[in-house]
Amino acid sequence: DAGVIQSPRHEVTEMGQEVTLRCKPISGHNSLFWYRQTMMRGLELLIYFNNNVPIDDSGMPEDRFSAKMPNASFSTLKIQPSEPRDSAVYFCASSIPPGQGPQVNYGYTFGSGTRLTVV
Amino acid sequence: AQSVTQPDIHITVSEGASLELRCNYSYGATPYLFWYVQSPGQGLQLLLKYFSGDTLVQGIKGFEAEFKRSQSSFNLRKPSVHWSDAAEYFCAVGRYGNKLVFGAGTILRVKS
Repeated sequence: DAGVIQSPRHEVTEMGQEVTLRCKPISGHNSLFWYRQTMMRGLELLIYFNNNVPIDDSGMPEDRFSAKMPNASFSTLKIQPSEPRDSAVYFCASSIPPGQGPQVNYGYTFGSGTRLTVV
Repeated sequence: AQSVTQPDIHITVSEGASLELRCNYSYGATPYLFWYVQSPGQGLQLLLKYFSGDTLVQGIKGFEAEFKRSQSSFNLRKPSVHWSDAAEYFCAVGRYGNKLVFGAGTILRVKS
């Protein structure tokens, strides 16, 4: 398996522009998580999905952020409009669905992240 | 409330010396426990995990961790550190079916 695939690896955009980050989870992993990592705040969970349904979006900082999972193999995180304070590394992670599969396989697999810089 | 505490923000050890990174947790039941490592510019990689059974678990890259229920701890150890171990280490706790809670991380520096 190729692992969790995120694109782009790096994104530089101007303040006010729309930014879309993409994630392809591991096949068979029906739980998907979006994290943001900054020096000041560390690793923050933004939102997670089970079976394509958003379960907890309490970590989404504000309405400028939105996430979708139209199918089991793709998710997007969109920021519109972007602001300099959104600059961070955004990680996607996937896991086996809760209550399914052997528990020993439980645990997140992370992508390599997207480094976003908003200028 | 569920929480994970990694008391040490930074740790510096000499190459070849032993290492112990601390992790304490607060959880309603015995959780599943994980250690992840993040090298600069990379995502988080799973080092090891504990679900049940033997409280000493072995992971990749020569790491091990010991679960101590009485101390609510899951400390990570390595007998001899290599320069390539310099990275940030995260402890995480959760239960099957629930989201993981991550600690703030410990940055390991290795001096030659």
